[in-house]
Amino acid sequence: AQKVTQAQTEISVVEKEDVTLDCVYETRDTTYYLFWYKQPPSGELVFLIRRNSFDEQNEISGRYSWNFQKSTSSFNFTITASQVVDSAVYFCALRRDPGGTYKYIFGTGTRLKVLA
Amino acid sequence: NAGVTQTPKFRVLKTGQSMTLLCAQDMNHEYMYWYRQDPGMGLRLIHYSVGEGTTAKGEVPDGYNVSRLKKQNFLLGLESAAPSQTSVYFCASNKGRSINQPQHFGDGTRLSIL
Repeated sequence: AQKVTQAQTEISVVEKEDVTLDCVYETRDTTYYLFWYKQPPSGELVFLIRRNSFDEQNEISGRYSWNFQKSTSSFNFTITASQVVDSAVYFCALRRDPGGTYKYIFGTGTRLKVLA
Repeated sequence: NAGVTQTPKFRVLKTGQSMTLLCAQDMNHEYMYWYRQDPGMGLRLIHYSVGEGTTAKGEVPDGYNVSRLKKQNFLLGLESAAPSQTSVYFCASNKGRSINQPQHFGDGTRLSIL
């Protein structure tokens, strides 16, 4: 089965706290990509990062960092020194293409509330 | 830089009415998708298309039809709207077959069925 699980439905933190959003995926494929998207209150979906299944290097972009661990099938997202503008729903997604399915599988999202 | 444009942005329908949601992309993308987003359910794939003239069913296709007569447009139709179809609908596209391509999303259409 192909599945993406975001077990945290909602997280609230106080500004400047660090927060980690969990993403666990299931797939039997050896080649796949993982993505994170942000959906701010305005509603649009914004692409944040992609990671392929062969690259387990962690990535840092400003206050954002991503930890990909194939051994635990996890692709977690950490925001350091959170800000109110980080308040949004964050989605993790998996894409795999055996047999040409070309589909993305999204998790149910984690709503992050950063309080001033 | 239009990207992916969805029309309309909001619509209220009565049960049994029909309507078509339009998605247009100007990035020459091959692949286009329609999702619905419901509270606690994330994004669920309704239908998708891998090229002009092709469509395929996604996870929740019942009650919807789609057409991709032109590469840049992907239409989602509701023949007889039902309250269960009240949702936010997102169109997305991506380029080519490479699975590293992120999806580009429209701003969504909020649809209410009374």
